[in-house]
Amino acid sequence: NAGVTQTPKFRVLKTGQSMTLLCAQDMNHEYMYWYRQDPGMGLRLIHYSVGEGTTAKGEVPDGYNVSRLKKQNFLLGLESAAPSQTSVYFCASSRPRVMGTYEQYFGPGTRLTVT
Amino acid sequence: GESVGLHLPTLSVQEGDNSIINCAYSNSASDYFIWYKQESGKGPQFIIDIRSNMDKRQGQRVTVLLNKTVKHLSLQIAATQPGDSAVYFCAENTFNTDKLIFGTGTRLQVFP
Repeated sequence: NAGVTQTPKFRVLKTGQSMTLLCAQDMNHEYMYWYRQDPGMGLRLIHYSVGEGTTAKGEVPDGYNVSRLKKQNFLLGLESAAPSQTSVYFCASSRPRVMGTYEQYFGPGTRLTVT
Repeated sequence: GESVGLHLPTLSVQEGDNSIINCAYSNSASDYFIWYKQESGKGPQFIIDIRSNMDKRQGQRVTVLLNKTVKHLSLQIAATQPGDSAVYFCAENTFNTDKLIFGTGTRLQVFP
């Protein structure tokens, strides 16, 4: 099992450009999440999904959109990148908490720089 | 509002000593807590979890203690090794919410 994978690993964008980050998981998890992590800070939730075809806003959703067309994939889009979106982005997946542990499995991250 | 924070941003310990990393939370409705370890350049990795009906849980070389009275949890690492050097995060969840709230992290440095 590959677990959670993220594409790309690194990206540099100019202000105003758009891009999509791809997250894939092979653990058949219902839940998927997108976080951003800034230097010296913890993880902040951008958007999440509790199932195929559903999405919800997290703590810092502005400037981002997401889609969950397939259970195993969760896409994060930046329509018009801004320097404030320079960050490391992590995707995670989990089972629902009612199924026992609520461990979230994380991908390796995407380092995005917006100039 | 909800918040999960850590008392110490950096903890330096000698190899072989025990480490204690602390975390305070403010949401009294939180009933599930997780500790994660994040090595440089990698995603967070699950260490151990604990539910609010417990006050202690042990894993391999790690113990998590939960004090609901003062809304505090700690992660104890026995016989700290160089491979334990990382940033450690606590996270909390409230039942019927689908989110973890993460603290800001503590950097653990192990020196010989």
